[in-house]
Amino acid sequence: GNSVTQMEGPVTLSEEAFLTINCTYTATGYPSLFWYVQYPGEGLQLLLKATKADDKGSNKGFEATYRKETTSFHLEKGSVQVSDSAVYFCALSSTGTASKLTFGTGTRLQVTL
Amino acid sequence: DAGITQSPRHKVTETGTPVTLRCHQTENHRYMYWYRQDPGHGLRLIHYSYGVKDTDKGEVSDGYSVSRSKTEDFLLTLESATSSQTSVYFCAISETSGNYEQYFGPGTRLTVT
Repeated sequence: GNSVTQMEGPVTLSEEAFLTINCTYTATGYPSLFWYVQYPGEGLQLLLKATKADDKGSNKGFEATYRKETTSFHLEKGSVQVSDSAVYFCALSSTGTASKLTFGTGTRLQVTL
Repeated sequence: DAGITQSPRHKVTETGTPVTLRCHQTENHRYMYWYRQDPGHGLRLIHYSYGVKDTDKGEVSDGYSVSRSKTEDFLLTLESATSSQTSVYFCAISETSGNYEQYFGPGTRLTVT
């Protein structure tokens, strides 16, 4: 079946540091890949997505490239801010009906001044 | 923001009592989902719906039932709550099938004592 593996957190960075959160996946077919972000006390928000191999999703300075050869979708940001502190979830959408999502376990990011 | 509300937002109940959580959308999206979020597990799909009166099980459906009598409402029922069902429950919606993103509600924190 489908699965998503994320790097364990928490990740603690100083403001303006470079961020990488690793995500690898196992899936049949050609899934779409997503990064969702969850701020404290809130629901999940879509951060970015990629629907086919070599696509790069980007939003708010975050980027991730769909790498089919390494089955990866790592999240990166060149310079993090305190306001980026949140939990980040990698997810994939199964092919077929209903767009069911399979999530990773989430990575908590804490950015300090 | 997608028009998704969940009620109640917080609930404490006793073991063995029935509980119903409600998800309401104003987007007229066809697909609706219920997830639970637990530490170390990310989000896991409980049930989903692909139309009025059309529902199916997710990966952790035991102990839960759902109903969808109108496009805008998707109810999750715990027939006899157990402590293992203490969790945060999220509803999500999606416009269509295929590799489309889902939009999440604010969540319901349920505690079973």
